[in-house]
Amino acid sequence: AQTVTQSQPEMSVQEAETVTLSCTYDTSESDYYLFWYKQPPSRQMILVIRQEAYKQQNATENRFSVNFQKAAKSFSLKISDSQLGDAAMYFCAYRSATRPNTGTASKLTFGTGTRLQVTL
Amino acid sequence: DGGITQSPKYLFRKEGQNVTLSCEQNLNHDAMYWYRQDPGQGLRLIYYSQIVNDFQKGDIAEGYSVSREKKESFPLTVTSAQKNPTAFYLCASSTVSWSGANVLTFGAGSRLTVL
Repeated sequence: AQTVTQSQPEMSVQEAETVTLSCTYDTSESDYYLFWYKQPPSRQMILVIRQEAYKQQNATENRFSVNFQKAAKSFSLKISDSQLGDAAMYFCAYRSATRPNTGTASKLTFGTGTRLQVTL
Repeated sequence: DGGITQSPKYLFRKEGQNVTLSCEQNLNHDAMYWYRQDPGQGLRLIYYSQIVNDFQKGDIAEGYSVSREKKESFPLTVTSAQKNPTAFYLCASSTVSWSGANVLTFGAGSRLTVL
């Protein structure tokens, strides 16, 4: 079974600075997807960024980027120019890329989350 | 607007009672999921369904039941057999395609408290 580990329960960053959230995972599969989700105080889960394991290029979405190290099974999230609205819980998640009819294609395995505080 | 509606937002239950959480989506997604969120444990999958009239157990299905009679609806029943039901419950949906672009869209969640 796959596992996802987020070793930083809490992080803090000053507004306009850069912060990196860590995520490692364990899998024997070669094809999979990785995600970062944000959960603000409203508790609505929002997709931040997605990475396909077969792509070597790191995904980027505006101020959010990832450092995907497949051999090291590491998937960190970098937030640049941090804003007060970035304060939230951030969850790293893994999903196998097997076919849907196996019954496992769309199941996500989540890490325990990192609470990010943004200070003035 | 397309999205997922969960109700009720807050629910209180006495021990020994069953309770049903509603989840409705108008995104035309084939797959729907129920996750449970506890402090310090992230999200854990309870049940999921990839097609109407079919569903599969997730990692923590004991004490829960679901039905999928309509594509749009995936209610979760928390039964009296669930030993520790107080938690935050999240419903999600996604497309099901081989391309792998099955990004989950989440509802706003339901908070269940057992008194």
